[in-house]
Amino acid sequence: DVKVTQSSRYLVKRTGEKVFLECVQDMDHENMFWYRQDPGLGLRLIYFSYDVKMKEKGDIPEGYSVSREKKERFSLILESASTNQTSMYLCASSLYYNYEQYFGPGTRLTVT
Amino acid sequence: SQQGEEDPQALSIQEGENATMNCSYKTSINNLQWYRQNSGRGLVHLILIRSNEREKHSGRLRVTLDTSKKSSSLLITASRAADTASYFCATQETSGSRLTFGEGTQLTVNP
Repeated sequence: DVKVTQSSRYLVKRTGEKVFLECVQDMDHENMFWYRQDPGLGLRLIYFSYDVKMKEKGDIPEGYSVSREKKERFSLILESASTNQTSMYLCASSLYYNYEQYFGPGTRLTVT
Repeated sequence: SQQGEEDPQALSIQEGENATMNCSYKTSINNLQWYRQNSGRGLVHLILIRSNEREKHSGRLRVTLDTSKKSSSLLITASRAADTASYFCATQETSGSRLTFGEGTQLTVNP
């Protein structure tokens, strides 16, 4: 079974802090994705990566950056956390771009 | 912008009944996928239907796709309390490599 893990289930940070969210997949998938999920807004794509060191902006990349130094790991970075970044963050991976995505359990981030 | 729109937003049924959820979208697609999300958890992939397919089955799930109407439906037969979850459709457009998710249908199956 494909396993996608995220570094934390719950995280509380202060405004202005730099925040790292880590995601690891164990199935040698090419593509990895970061979404945020908010009530009434559904899932929105922040960034995705189709290869090591490659990244593409999604629909809401402002205030975020990403890093993919190794194929299995995709990190989301909040450069200076703000309260409007309080959300559920979901990482996903897929073998090819037109295949199903496998999701991690999510990180619920609260910025105070 | 969200391409897929699910209908209804919420559905409450009794155990043993069938549940039908619908999804409409706007542009040409390569495939349409359905996912389930239990409260506070990640999404789980249920089924993928390609644009040249009209119907697909997986266990108690039946998905149809009508590309002329740009719509899909997910039918869960003989529902169980464990089916209680949010269900999302996601479309992969022909013009891009990403999935676009709808806002989901919250299904409650009462024992």
